[in-house]
Amino acid sequence: DAMVIQNPRYQVTQFGKPVTLSCSQTLNHNVMYWYQQKSSQAPKLLFHYYDKDFNNEADTPDNFQSRRPNTSFCFLDIRSPGLGDAAMYLCATSRDGLDQAEQFFGPGTRLTVL
Amino acid sequence: AQSVTQLGSHVSVSEGALVLLRCNYSSSVPPYLFWYVQYPNQGLQLLLKYTSAATLVKGINGFEAEFKKSETSFHLTKPSAHMRDAAEYFCAVAGRRALTFGSGTRLQVQP
Repeated sequence: DAMVIQNPRYQVTQFGKPVTLSCSQTLNHNVMYWYQQKSSQAPKLLFHYYDKDFNNEADTPDNFQSRRPNTSFCFLDIRSPGLGDAAMYLCATSRDGLDQAEQFFGPGTRLTVL
Repeated sequence: AQSVTQLGSHVSVSEGALVLLRCNYSSSVPPYLFWYVQYPNQGLQLLLKYTSAATLVKGINGFEAEFKKSETSFHLTKPSAHMRDAAEYFCAVAGRRALTFGSGTRLQVQP
């Protein structure tokens, strides 16, 4: 089945130690998104790629970076994780950037910062 | 800017009872609206979406939602709750290439 895959599902890191979360998709969608979801809160968009065009949200901390080496893969890099970065990170894709395009979500990676 | 407001962070119903989850939107243009469901430690799954084709939208798992422009609402309903419906439900409005989510409503289903 075509899908959005996130690895790992659970990630533990230490305060200040860089960490990379991975997302891959078999849907061949043009757009890939990264959301941060803290406990009992709504997902918050960090950034997205439309093809290779990177779009950062204005309030996304500089600590968060992303790479999209090809259509299928997108990575979220957290350069120096703080305790406040502990959250569920959701990757999503959509076929195009149109308003009515459905977004398909991966299962998420739960990040713990010790 | 477009936004959605979900009234009630927690809703509890008995199995077999009507489910009503409320969502109101704010938009200067005709909105595209979505309902997503999230089970524990899972990603979000689309239940249904409104794209102006029809005001009553039917989704998966027996859910439906009605777009009411006069009330700026897009409430989610299901005639008869099942235990497996217990989850977090998010209303969302499409913006420029991204979704803006409401704060979510946790649905509990009592046996």
